[in-house]
Amino acid sequence: KAGVTQTPRYLIKTRGQQVTLSCSPISGHRSVSWYQQTPGQGLQFLFEYFSETQRNKGNFPGRFSGRQFSNSRSEMNVSTLELGDSALYLCASSLNAGENSPLHFGNGTRLTVT
Amino acid sequence: GESVGLHLPTLSVQEGDNSIINCAYSNSASDYFIWYKQESGKGPQFIIDIRSNMDKRQGQRVTVLLNKTVKHLSLQIAATQPGDSAVYFCAENWSSGGYQKVTFGTGTKLQVIP
Repeated sequence: KAGVTQTPRYLIKTRGQQVTLSCSPISGHRSVSWYQQTPGQGLQFLFEYFSETQRNKGNFPGRFSGRQFSNSRSEMNVSTLELGDSALYLCASSLNAGENSPLHFGNGTRLTVT
Repeated sequence: GESVGLHLPTLSVQEGDNSIINCAYSNSASDYFIWYKQESGKGPQFIIDIRSNMDKRQGQRVTVLLNKTVKHLSLQIAATQPGDSAVYFCAENWSSGGYQKVTFGTGTKLQVIP
């Protein structure tokens, strides 16, 4: 079974631009979560989607948004980029929401904002 | 490139020795716990999990111990190998509103000395 796939792997943007990151979960997994990882803050939860609906949202500004498609693939968007948005963005999938099961992570998208 | 392990506590272990990585969790309602391993340039990978009705679980070369009284989790790696060098995260999970919520620890960097 293919793992979680995130594209692109690396991205360089300038302040004020917007960016869209993509995530394809493991086949059959219906829940997709997004995390921001930085050396100073660790893994910070952004949001979780299940059956095309956002179920949970972390404490990030409205510039961060996401969506999930009917095939469970997900995208996240960051508008009006700031230098502090530079981070590794990780997507994780799991079978279902609400059940204790491990997250399966992709290798992330490294975003650099200059 | 930027390393996820830059500001983390570090455990240095001689190859062949046993490693113990500790984690304190905060939510007494947490009922499911997971250890993840993150190698450089990759996303976190599932190692082992344990439910709150257990206090010990063993895998291949790894053992997780759970002490709910003091809200403490530990990961023991037997006969540590160079390939075990990575950042290790604990995660606590609990159910809220019918959905699983998860919080990650700050991580510990394991360095294996050959």
